[in-house]
Amino acid sequence: QKEVEQNSGPLSVPEGAIASLNCTYSDRGSQSFFWYRQYSGKSPELIMSIYSNGDKEDGRFTAQLNKASQYVSLLIRDSQPSDSATYLCAVLGAGNNRKLIWGLGTSLAVNP
Amino acid sequence: DVKVTQSSRYLVKRTGEKVFLECVQDMDHENMFWYRQDPGLGLRLIYFSYDVKMKEKGDIPEGYSVSREKKERFSLILESASTNQTSMYLCASSVYSGNSPLHFGNGTRLTVT
Repeated sequence: QKEVEQNSGPLSVPEGAIASLNCTYSDRGSQSFFWYRQYSGKSPELIMSIYSNGDKEDGRFTAQLNKASQYVSLLIRDSQPSDSATYLCAVLGAGNNRKLIWGLGTSLAVNP
Repeated sequence: DVKVTQSSRYLVKRTGEKVFLECVQDMDHENMFWYRQDPGLGLRLIYFSYDVKMKEKGDIPEGYSVSREKKERFSLILESASTNQTSMYLCASSVYSGNSPLHFGNGTRLTVT
């Protein structure tokens, strides 16, 4: 069974620090990877998508993908209390199984 | 900006009732999805659709059906609501390309008593 795994947390960081969120996946043929942020009681919203090995930066957010090691990570620089949320990793399955596979999410708390 | 609108934010229904959850998107997206989200279980796909009048079962279709008569609208139907269907229901849409991300509606919190 194809899986996406994340540490549930909570991950607690002080304001201004770098938060590092990790995600591993089992389907070696996966090609598309997404990070979503979900505030309590709200729906997920897309932060980043990444398709190629390496880093992709968007403002304070950097996604890192390593297909050989089957992990994708999200770095949040200069963390703010407003970044406190659950971060969901989603991986698009390969071949005929082109459905998103979701991790359970990592809860992040940024302390002022 | 993509807008996915779910008809109700909160809904309370009785066991055995037939329940309709409506979802409308305004970006001409081909793909539409229904998920439910429960603590500890994450997002689970109920049904999805790649085109009008087309539907595919997701991972947990039992007790649900869907309807897509128009491209912009995707309805989830609980034929006979049960208490174990109490959950947060999320509708999402995306363009046809398999690599495209999902855009979610605000969700419907359904309570079945």
